[in-house]
Amino acid sequence: EVQLVESGGGLVQPGRSLRLSCAASGFTFDDYAMHWVRQAPGKGLEWVSGISWNSGSIGYADSVKGRFTISRDNAKNSLYLQMNSLRAEDTALYYCAKDPGSGGKTWGAFDIWGQGTMVTVSS
Amino acid sequence: SYVLTQPPSVSVAPGQTARITCGGNNIGSKSVHWYQQKPGQAPVLVVYDDSDRPSGIPERFSGSNSGNTATLTISRVEAGDEADYYCQVWDSSSDHRGVFGGGTKLTVL
Repeated sequence: EVQLVESGGGLVQPGRSLRLSCAASGFTFDDYAMHWVRQAPGKGLEWVSGISWNSGSIGYADSVKGRFTISRDNAKNSLYLQMNSLRAEDTALYYCAKDPGSGGKTWGAFDIWGQGTMVTVSS
Repeated sequence: SYVLTQPPSVSVAPGQTARITCGGNNIGSKSVHWYQQKPGQAPVLVVYDDSDRPSGIPERFSGSNSGNTATLTISRVEAGDEADYYCQVWDSSSDHRGVFGGGTKLTVL
């Protein structure tokens, strides 16, 4: 069964850091690009970041560029999101999502999603 | 930055056809993906690359894309189709950033 399981969310003070993880199973992880998508409470979806199969192509939303860093460890079938200088507006449910392609020059759809991990930024 | 515009809500009676639009400047030149999200659940891809369906998605779900409007069409609507629907594209003019529409709440009357 294809599965993505996020972890690492929690309550954090503004200005602090948090690292999210996403464990993948049921497919050949290093064949595919991966993404983080977030959803603030009661709001719509927002793409956060994407990474190609070999980490050679990486992209960020303007709202997180310079503060968040996406990475992956293909040997561990894992995707990560290092979040620094967190703000109240980063409060959201963070989803890990699989791309049907390998990434690089273009990205595809989000064909598999995890259940998300909640990040709350508050003092 | 690229903007996608969806109607906040669409209502339809069971058995009828629902059409959810997604407007964007020359969106017909982009590949559009559609997601269904039910309350408390993760989104599910229902249409990709304008009009293709992932395995397991009923044929009642279809998509089209031309000019400045992409459309998700749900035929023979069922109560279980009630959900939020989001369109999504990649903005090649801004370093391939992902863009979502604001979402449309489909209500089955």
